[in-house]
Amino acid sequence: EADIYQTPRYLVIGTGKKITLECSQTMGHDKMYWYQQDPGMELHLIHYSYGVNSTEKGDLSSESTVSRIRTEHFPLTLESARPSHTSQYLCASSGLAGVDTQYFGPGTRLTVL
Amino acid sequence: AQKITQTQPGMFVQEKEAVTLDCTYDTSDQSYGLFWYKQPSSGEMIFLIYQGSYDEQNATEGRYSLNFQKARKSANLVISASQLGDSAMYFCAMREDPNTGNQFYFGTGTSLTVIP
Repeated sequence: EADIYQTPRYLVIGTGKKITLECSQTMGHDKMYWYQQDPGMELHLIHYSYGVNSTEKGDLSSESTVSRIRTEHFPLTLESARPSHTSQYLCASSGLAGVDTQYFGPGTRLTVL
Repeated sequence: AQKITQTQPGMFVQEKEAVTLDCTYDTSDQSYGLFWYKQPSSGEMIFLIYQGSYDEQNATEGRYSLNFQKARKSANLVISASQLGDSAMYFCAMREDPNTGNQFYFGTGTSLTVIP
């Protein structure tokens, strides 16, 4: 069973607020990912990291930013939340050479009013 | 072009019956991995099964098996003896050769409903 955690699980916030979604994993995985997913829809990669001090933007344009100062921690920040940011955000990590399965956290459901 | 195609937006299956969820993929890499994930209504993504491109035998994990047909580039998920708890979204995914890139590609998902 994967050990990857996300907080908060649910967040309702007003427009213009700054928010940080937390993601931590205890598996020592090098690679970490953030996906955005609307209910019942496909996943869109918004950020990924291959290790400490390495971050890249994904396929979906996002107004969020990420940092990777420690291997286990990969927070995502929205400087100014908007209603269009309402979605589910899934964090994942992988690190097993060869197979490289991605393991997911429970997700954060964000609602911006 | 889509890397992963799931052509069944929704599927229904009778409890205790088997069901096949279709997945086709597109890659020119020789080394790649194929994955299936389950996403219940609670939202978490649960890893189910993995198939490597060089694996000669179809992967199996309990009631899940992956019908891998390399020449046809298909990786269908077979769930045997369906249970009510199998009702969920199912996503097929592919990881291409890690030496050329490390992104995962996900399909659009299939919603499976198990009928009592």
